[in-house]
Amino acid sequence: KAGVTQTPRYLIKTRGQQVTLSCSPISGHRSVSWYQQTPGQGLQFLFEYFSETQRNKGNFPGRFSGRQFSNSRSEMNVSTLELGDSALYLCASSRDFNNEQFFGPGTRLTVL
Amino acid sequence: QQQVKQSPQSLIVQKGGISIINCAYENTAFDYFPWYQQFPGKGPALLIAIRPDVSEKKEGRFTISFNKSAKQFSLHIMDSQPGDSATYFCAASMFSVQFYFGTGTSLTVIP
Repeated sequence: KAGVTQTPRYLIKTRGQQVTLSCSPISGHRSVSWYQQTPGQGLQFLFEYFSETQRNKGNFPGRFSGRQFSNSRSEMNVSTLELGDSALYLCASSRDFNNEQFFGPGTRLTVL
Repeated sequence: QQQVKQSPQSLIVQKGGISIINCAYENTAFDYFPWYQQFPGKGPALLIAIRPDVSEKKEGRFTISFNKSAKQFSLHIMDSQPGDSATYFCAASMFSVQFYFGTGTSLTVIP
């Protein structure tokens, strides 16, 4: 069974640009969550989608947005990039409530 | 505000020793407490998890101890091996919808 895949794996952008990251969950998983991982803050929850609906949102500015498609694939978008947005962005999928989350390898975003 | 506090930040253990990582939480509504292991260049992988109705769970060399009254839980790695060298994260969630993670512990097991 294929795991969670994320594309691209590495990305370099400059301040002010926008970026779109993609996540394909494990087949049959309908819940997709996004996290930002930085050395100082650890993993911080961005948002979670289930059946194309955002069910939960973390404490991030509106520049961070996401969506989920009918095939459960998800994208997150960051607009007007700032230097502090440099991080590893992780996607995790699960079947639904009270189920194990499986993480992808992440997308390493560097903002110059 | 950090919902889950993890310590230590880094840990060095001799091969064969016991590694202990501690976490504390505030929200008594949390009902699921997983531990994740992360190797460089990889996403976190679930290691072991516990629910608050039990005080201990053991899987192989890995044990979670859970103290509901103190709102603390810990990971014990027995007979630590160099292959266990990784970053470990504790987490807590309500209904597995939103997970709150600790800041991570970098474990190094010296041969």
